Amino acid sequence: QVQLQQWGAGLLKPSETLSLTCAVYGGSFSGYYWSWIRQPPGKGLEWIGEFNHSGGTKYNPSLKSRVTISVDTSKNQFSLKLTSVTAADTAVYYCARETVIATVAWFDPWGQGTLVTVSS
Amino acid sequence: SSELTQDPAVSVALGQTVRITCQGDSLRSYYASWYQQKPGQAPVFVIYGKNYRPSGIPDRFSGSTSGNTASLTITGAQAEDEADYYCNSRDSSDNHLVFGGGTKLTVL
Repeated sequence: QVQLQQWGAGLLKPSETLSLTCAVYGGSFSGYYWSWIRQPPGKGLEWIGEFNHSGGTKYNPSLKSRVTISVDTSKNQFSLKLTSVTAADTAVYYCARETVIATVAWFDPWGQGTLVTVSS
Repeated sequence: SSELTQDPAVSVALGQTVRITCQGDSLRSYYASWYQQKPGQAPVFVIYGKNYRPSGIPDRFSGSTSGNTASLTITGAQAEDEADYYCNSRDSSDNHLVFGGGTKLTVL
């Protein structure tokens, strides 16, 4: 059974760079997309971006200028970097495996989530 | 830009049937997937595509799509179904994915 384990700094100051990593255990890394999703406290889910199995990336247009998602296939890990953070970036960040088949995509499994707080 | 619209809150009596809807132009081209999220927990994937349930999800959960509306139906709602529910699909231009705003389901 595939499991995702994520980690990274939980407290940042404004203007710093958020950096999170997600490791994939118990399953193949190839053939899937790998995504990051966030959820501000008390609010809904927001898709941040994905790295697809062809080596390409897609990002949420609202975050595109600040986001980079990368993959280290040798370690079965993928990472998120978000630059110039502000208080509005305070959220629980989740990594997730994304399966895409024709006209449907779904996220399963998910990482455990990391609360990232941006505060001076 | 594409968006998916959900009712903020829905309630259902214990054992009754409830439908949670998700509207958006992208649903004319792409199927939705649905997620259940309980407080303090990561979302759990419950429905995808035309009407497919991952293993372990009770068969009281079902999905459907008509036009620009996707629906998640719970037939015989149980107390443990009280949660937030989110829909998700790829936007019409295939540039990115989008989530609905979420529906808080209360089981009375």
